[in-house]
Amino acid sequence: QLVLTQSPSASASLGASVKLTCTLSSGHSSYAIAWHQQQPEKGPRYLMKLNSDGSHSKGDGIPDRFSGSSSGAERYLTISSLQSEDEADYYCQTWGTGIQVFGTGTKVTVL
Amino acid sequence: QVQLVQSGAEVKKPGASVKVSCKASGYTFTSYGISWVRQAPGQGLEWMGWISAYNGNTNYAQKLQGRVTMTTDTSTSTAYMELRSLRSDDTAVYYCARGDPVVMDAFDIWGQGTMVTVSS
Repeated sequence: QLVLTQSPSASASLGASVKLTCTLSSGHSSYAIAWHQQQPEKGPRYLMKLNSDGSHSKGDGIPDRFSGSSSGAERYLTISSLQSEDEADYYCQTWGTGIQVFGTGTKVTVL
Repeated sequence: QVQLVQSGAEVKKPGASVKVSCKASGYTFTSYGISWVRQAPGQGLEWMGWISAYNGNTNYAQKLQGRVTMTTDTSTSTAYMELRSLRSDDTAVYYCARGDPVVMDAFDIWGQGTMVTVSS
């Protein structure tokens, strides 16, 4: 079964970096994912598509502070130079034949 | 610019139906697919299904099979999602999102969301 696992929360100080993890279920380590940001009271915003080899393609206007990387079944989103507007929920998304799956989201708090 | 603009908020009674629209602009509508995703209050994102604006093919989430229908009108570049036999737990913000026209892929554009409230 295709499942994505995310930690519920993460926090870091203003100007620091934070690394979020999205883990693919067993047997699905080659799958690509996408990262989406949802700021409070807003709709989701596409950040990037991230492949198993770590290559990624970002959405229009996404700052260089957002980067992606991969290792095995884990997909990472690193936010550098944290700003107050980065305080949001971050969801990973993946897909298979006829199905889309979301992780449960990670809430990032900027201290 | 590329955008998806959704219809306004709805309030429905249990057992009724709702139809939400999603109008695309800034790109060739038939070159992409549209997925529908919902988010109950305080909860995460739930995929509901997908329709290809290219050939009309659909895939629905198993839990919604039989209650949901997705359609497109290529003459107006608009996608529609109809949900029937509404229950209180269908109360959510409903989003449309752009994806691949043939296979499942990442969503790269999101609509602004439509609040649907189901209450007697």
